[in-house]
Amino acid sequence: NAGVMQNPRHLVRRRGQEARLRCSPMKGHSHVYWYRQLPEEGLKFMVYLQKENIIDESGMPKERFSAEFPKEGPSILRIQQVVRGDSAAYFCASSSVQDVNYGYTFGSGTRLTVV
Amino acid sequence: AQRVTQPEKLLSVFKGAPVELKCNYSYSGSPELFWYVQYSRQRLQLLLRHISRESIKGFTADLNKGETSFHLKKPFAQEEDSAMYYCAPLSGSARQLTFGSGTQLTVLP
Repeated sequence: NAGVMQNPRHLVRRRGQEARLRCSPMKGHSHVYWYRQLPEEGLKFMVYLQKENIIDESGMPKERFSAEFPKEGPSILRIQQVVRGDSAAYFCASSSVQDVNYGYTFGSGTRLTVV
Repeated sequence: AQRVTQPEKLLSVFKGAPVELKCNYSYSGSPELFWYVQYSRQRLQLLLRHISRESIKGFTADLNKGETSFHLKKPFAQEEDSAMYYCAPLSGSARQLTFGSGTQLTVLP
């Protein structure tokens, strides 16, 4: 079991470009969570998804950010027209229905740098 | 509002000294609480969860409902314990983890 896989590990984008961050949950996990970690700050919840459904997106900025978790394939966090303030580490976590009470498994993160 | 507070952003102790990382919560009901650790440039790892009352790497945490606290303790800190520690309750209808702001622990030689 390869764990939660995120790619790319590092992503550099110019202002105004789009960033796509991918997350493949652990095998058997149907819940995916995205968190953002700004420099010198803690983890902030962004969005919680199950297959083909957004369960809670209360932490997502209102504009430019979107997330999906299709029936097939990884979960995608998409940031349109990136700005310097989007530079951060984005972490994905997953859990199973049975194990949600036992915490999440995190990926290694994608470090986005906007230049 | 429901929140979790880690009052110390930075904490330094000497090797062999006891360490306590504070966590207070203000959630209604009985949230399930976790401690996560993030070593330098590594992924976040589950350290321990209160429901299992376990001890991992010498760390323990007791849920004190009266004080609404879930402080993380270790009697003798080691240099390899230097890391960022997050207290995180699992609560709400969506059963999501909400992280505190974290405490950066540095264990000095």
